Amino acid sequence: EVQLVESGGGLVQPGGSLRLSCAASGFTFSDHYMDWVRQAPGEGLEWVGRVKSKADSYTTEYAASVEGRFTISRDDSKNSLYLQMNSLKTEDTALYYCTRGDYWGQGTLVTVSS
Amino acid sequence: DIQMTQSPSSVSASVGDRVTITCRASQDISSHLVWYQQKRGKAPKLLIYAASTLESGVPSRFSGSGSGTDFTLTISSLQPEDFATYYCQQANSFPRTFGRGTEVEIK
Repeated sequence: EVQLVESGGGLVQPGGSLRLSCAASGFTFSDHYMDWVRQAPGEGLEWVGRVKSKADSYTTEYAASVEGRFTISRDDSKNSLYLQMNSLKTEDTALYYCTRGDYWGQGTLVTVSS
Repeated sequence: DIQMTQSPSSVSASVGDRVTITCRASQDISSHLVWYQQKRGKAPKLLIYAASTLESGVPSRFSGSGSGTDFTLTISSLQPEDFATYYCQQANSFPRTFGRGTEVEIK
């Protein structure tokens, strides 16, 4: 059974940093591109970014709203996806999902507030 | 960036009704369009990819059509479990972009 489990969310002050993790199981993680998608409270879905597979040189893509502040990485040996978030803003407050496209985790909540 | 415009933003319908949701891309995305369903408090669920291919396990009352810039999601006979918010997403280029969603409500 495919499972994606996010962790690492919490309350952080504006300007702070946070690292989210996503533990994958039930499939060959290294073969798949992985995305982060977020959803602000009461709002729609916003694509955050992607990390491709080793076959595509672990290339990353980002939304303009997070480019330069967020970094997506992966550790295929640990079946894990990461989202390093720096210089956090109040507008980054959201539920953060990791997704393979066809499978989604349940999300981890990030709240940016003073 | 490609803008995805969904309409309507909400629709009230009864069980058994046919419901149609449209999604328009700001430029040609071929058939690179995905539809998701999201129920309150839950993660999104993939319904349709490549504009018209039904994901495994999704009921056949869901169908997708379109190519280029104009796309449609149709629920042929609305069931109680279909009340949710539906999102389209273009998968043609980066950054990936979602529509703002269509909430299907009980009439």
